[in-house]
Amino acid sequence: AQKITQTQPGMFVQEKEAVTLDCTYDTSDQSYGLFWYKQPSSGEMIFLIYQGSYDEQNATEGRYSLNFQKARKSANLVISASQLGDSAMYFCAMRERFRSGAGSYQLTFGKGTKLSVIP
Amino acid sequence: SAVISQKPSRDICQRGTSLTIQCQVDSQVTMMFWYRQQPGQSLTLIATANQGSEATYESGFVIDKFPISRPNLTFSTLTVSNMSPEDSSIYLCSVVGQFYGYTFGSGTRLTVV
Repeated sequence: AQKITQTQPGMFVQEKEAVTLDCTYDTSDQSYGLFWYKQPSSGEMIFLIYQGSYDEQNATEGRYSLNFQKARKSANLVISASQLGDSAMYFCAMRERFRSGAGSYQLTFGKGTKLSVIP
Repeated sequence: SAVISQKPSRDICQRGTSLTIQCQVDSQVTMMFWYRQQPGQSLTLIATANQGSEATYESGFVIDKFPISRPNLTFSTLTVSNMSPEDSSIYLCSVVGQFYGYTFGSGTRLTVV
């Protein structure tokens, strides 16, 4: 079974509008971390936002916020006031705690959502 | 967070040849990771490279095809050997970054013809 599910292969949003990118996850750990990364066409992976499983408040970073619903195991990314430069692939990822050695730091990535911002 | 310089940024190579990708980190790090991203796909971990020991490869990846060097705590190389068109991918190195997530290099876009 997939550990990270991103059900939207592609999304369109009008410039200046808000958009929500969906992410659900599956883990039996109590302690875990959730990440969102942006990948422009250039190929680099840019860290956007992090949510820890024990964080009571939703994470926010500028125009990015994470809608964390722990009981539903969802960690949706909300981008407010979309800009043309937001057009990119977006990946949700999870780090689970209880692994040994290098596995402690391994992230599991979803398949990504391609966001296109329309002028 | 660490800053990673990855080279080359892109290359077009003939099948049967090899390409070595370099990553230089601006601080000492214990572990470095190498990922492959095939066209339209997510990231797949190739191996974890520790300084002074052999790299640990994930299932489906072997040292003969993807030899890794880790001579010190700030540098690593990944070689893609005897390339075929199926090796056309983006290759990324990374280190543990903020919140124990990853900081990535800028990626190497490889096309094999």
